[in-house]
Amino acid sequence: DTAVSQTPKYLVTQMGNDKSIKCEQNLGHDTMYWYKQDSKKFLKIMFSYNNKELIINETVPNRFSPKSPDKAHLNLHINSLELGDSAVYFCASSQDTGGYTFGSGTRLTVV
Amino acid sequence: AQSVAQPEDQVNVAEGNPLTVKCTYSVSGNPYLFWYVQYPNRGLQFLLKYITGDNLVKGSYGFEAEFNKSQTSFHLKKPSALVSDSALYFCAVRDMNTGRRALTFGSGTRLQVQP
Repeated sequence: DTAVSQTPKYLVTQMGNDKSIKCEQNLGHDTMYWYKQDSKKFLKIMFSYNNKELIINETVPNRFSPKSPDKAHLNLHINSLELGDSAVYFCASSQDTGGYTFGSGTRLTVV
Repeated sequence: AQSVAQPEDQVNVAEGNPLTVKCTYSVSGNPYLFWYVQYPNRGLQFLLKYITGDNLVKGSYGFEAEFNKSQTSFHLKKPSALVSDSALYFCAVRDMNTGRRALTFGSGTRLQVQP
């Protein structure tokens, strides 16, 4: 029973393409997140959704668009991919003062 | 704004020796503090958290952390290191006095345990 699952695990694509990463949680949490881990391993929040409502939108290019069809899903769509988008993207979820559970990550490589 | 500092990029320790990985934080309100571990090509695994109560928090795999409000620190400790503890460790904070739920992470500390 995977708590937070992301697909795909690996994604290799050419510059200029559009791609999506999907995330699903089965924990009943009301808040979901997308984090980006760069090549230096820095982890930075990109977006946060609470009950399908966008709460946090950090300084992220407009090419990145999150979509939350329901509380259990938060997908990340990226348009016109650039080399600098290469990173590991982590989905996470949380509830009130409970813990934060992270997915296993999606390694995106733009060539 | 909330922030976390992990002053050491890498910590080296011999197997069987005690280890400490340092973390200091800055929040405007009460902190909610976490430690996570990341093994190569893996996701983030939860180790322990502090929100209130006893300043010494015990977590997974024999790790513990001590919350020190006056020094705004939350150092990770283990009495006896194992080679298998070698990994990347992240400290994270959430300011409980704001509506911002997202965690802010430190830059990570690579722990290397030598046999």
